[in-house]
Amino acid sequence: GEDVEQSLFLSVREGDSSVINCTYTDSSSTYLYWYKQEPGAGLQLLTYIFSNMDMKQDQRLTVLLNKKDKHLSLRIADTQTGDSAIYFCARSGYSTLTFGKGTMLLVSP
Amino acid sequence: DVKVTQSSRYLVKRTGEKVFLECVQDMDHENMFWYRQDPGLGLRLIYFSYDVKMKEKGDIPEGYSVSREKKERFSLILESASTNQTSMYLCASTPVWDSNQPQHFGDGTRLSIL
Repeated sequence: GEDVEQSLFLSVREGDSSVINCTYTDSSSTYLYWYKQEPGAGLQLLTYIFSNMDMKQDQRLTVLLNKKDKHLSLRIADTQTGDSAIYFCARSGYSTLTFGKGTMLLVSP
Repeated sequence: DVKVTQSSRYLVKRTGEKVFLECVQDMDHENMFWYRQDPGLGLRLIYFSYDVKMKEKGDIPEGYSVSREKKERFSLILESASTNQTSMYLCASTPVWDSNQPQHFGDGTRLSIL
């Protein structure tokens, strides 16, 4: 299987919560990241979590890490149409990051 | 704020041409990276560099080379462009030889090879 896996697509209604999931295989990663990519743009770092943490909250964003299951999630509260984008999960490695294929989040009014 | 600048947002070239994609960062970062992004395949690492004149192959280096003559500039070279190199190319940088630092990305170059 892939090193970092994400579901490819998520559709929610404006105002709902969105949860984007990610699983990874290499448990040696020190940091795990979430990036956002808006159409036609590069990747923007949203948040990251250190591997010895279970949870990190930053305004509308909540990151949960289950290290035992190698599962990472990003919850976006009160999702807005401006949150429509591709979200990438990434884990740190020896010399670079390994990215998932990205989850396209579509927020409908 | 870190600024990673890619010289072109859109580029159209012909098969067989030698193509240069330029990336400049303004924060004195040691590490720089080139990725390509394709639908359904996510980001794939082509090359990276951790110092001037140093380079390491990523996952898909075939058909590409790189140049790092100055710390702030990292160039990706398509020696003889082919249609299967049509893609979005993303440059990134990090401040130290430490993969735990988050990567800062440019806005990307959408390259079309005709």
